[in-house]
Amino acid sequence: EIVLTQSPGTLSLSPGERATLSCRASQSVSSSYLAWYQQKPGQAPRLLIYGASSRATGIPDRFSGSGSGTDFTLTINRLEPEDFAVYYCQQYGSSPGLTFGGGTKVEIK
Amino acid sequence: EVQLVESGGGLVQPGGSLRLSCTASGFTFSSYAMSWVRQAPGKGLEWVSGISGSGGSTYYADSVKGRFTISRDNSKNTLYLQMNSLRAEDTAVYHCAKQWSGWYLDSWGQGTLVTVSS
Repeated sequence: EIVLTQSPGTLSLSPGERATLSCRASQSVSSSYLAWYQQKPGQAPRLLIYGASSRATGIPDRFSGSGSGTDFTLTINRLEPEDFAVYYCQQYGSSPGLTFGGGTKVEIK
Repeated sequence: EVQLVESGGGLVQPGGSLRLSCTASGFTFSSYAMSWVRQAPGKGLEWVSGISGSGGSTYYADSVKGRFTISRDNSKNTLYLQMNSLRAEDTAVYHCAKQWSGWYLDSWGQGTLVTVSS
């Protein structure tokens, strides 16, 4: 089973700053099968990025994803107040099922 | 607009059973695989189970295999999760989610809370 490790656990930033979130896999992940989700308190997660770098419908272009192999990054340019939330990476592969990383909380500094 | 509404959660004793339901609308339910994902209080996301659009294929996380059963009724646009032999560690909010392009989850319900405690 592929384990996803996200870092840092918490990121303290101010609105307008750039956030860089890391997701590292224990084995190589196909870029086509890596996604990022945003979850705000009391809400369901929302798909942000799929295929490592494609934005889901309605996601602002300040969100971008990159990476390949075992290292993936979610970048949020010019943080807006509504971007402070927890972010999860997710992968799936040749075996049925999927796994999530432990999450990174982006909080207001 | 896609809507997923879970129900059936509640307080159950260890060893007990519970059946969750997820009613879907806004899309052709039978055309999409579906999943259940849970989130323990204050913790991260854990995929629990998935089912193909026809219901012919089902998949489970090791942590629930043999105890939980996923099913669907496409005539009722409803997804189910039968949970047996519940343990304290099954306490979580259970979300149903619509799968898209493989195993991406592009729509989620708000979830239903399951508490396993004596």
